[in-house]
Amino acid sequence: NAGVTQTPKFRILKIGQSMTLQCTQDMNHNYMYWYRQDPGMGLKLIYYSVGAGITDKGEVPNGYNVSRSTTEDFPLRLELAAPSQTSVYFCASSLREVQPQHFGDGTRLSIL
Amino acid sequence: DQQVKQNSPSLSVQEGRISILNCDYTNSMFDYFLWYKKYPAEGPTFLISISSIKDKNEDGRFTVFLNKSAKHLSLHIVPSQPGDSAVYFCAASPYSGAGSYQLTFGKGTKLSVIP
Repeated sequence: NAGVTQTPKFRILKIGQSMTLQCTQDMNHNYMYWYRQDPGMGLKLIYYSVGAGITDKGEVPNGYNVSRSTTEDFPLRLELAAPSQTSVYFCASSLREVQPQHFGDGTRLSIL
Repeated sequence: DQQVKQNSPSLSVQEGRISILNCDYTNSMFDYFLWYKKYPAEGPTFLISISSIKDKNEDGRFTVFLNKSAKHLSLHIVPSQPGDSAVYFCAASPYSGAGSYQLTFGKGTKLSVIP
């Protein structure tokens, strides 16, 4: 009963490095989402996907890319890490829109 | 411009008493509201939701009240238990159409239940 699984849990990057945050869900959900949460703030939507092969931008997409080749996986790519991308990243999924989203436990990313 | 506001960063309540967490919103397109609970180092967990066709929804110890005219909702926890100590997020979205997938979150309220 894994739900939404995110890896890694923690990561430190240097400015300019790139990395991929992994997210996989085993609930056969069509909708998947990436959020970031900065200290003392609510979650903000980065990208979302309504199904395999379909992605779109959320509120704060700059500096990120996503792909959705399968129903299960929704990786988030940072190409040129910047200190402003230091945050906690959460992946979520839902069966369809207007359904409660199920969240992973997050990836804490620091960029120095 | 915060569309979902949780004006109390923290709240302390005695065990067994009622906890009331408040949330205000400004976007009149919002008609679906959710409360999430978050423990440290974990992801948010869905608690309870309400759509604008209702003004109250209950699930065990948790009740959400919606006042559409005031653009205000509240979460009541009765009785409060030490395990309820967490950060509570209010979230909102349109129920259909454009943006219905996109949740807008408040900044959260940290609830501490004192034994």
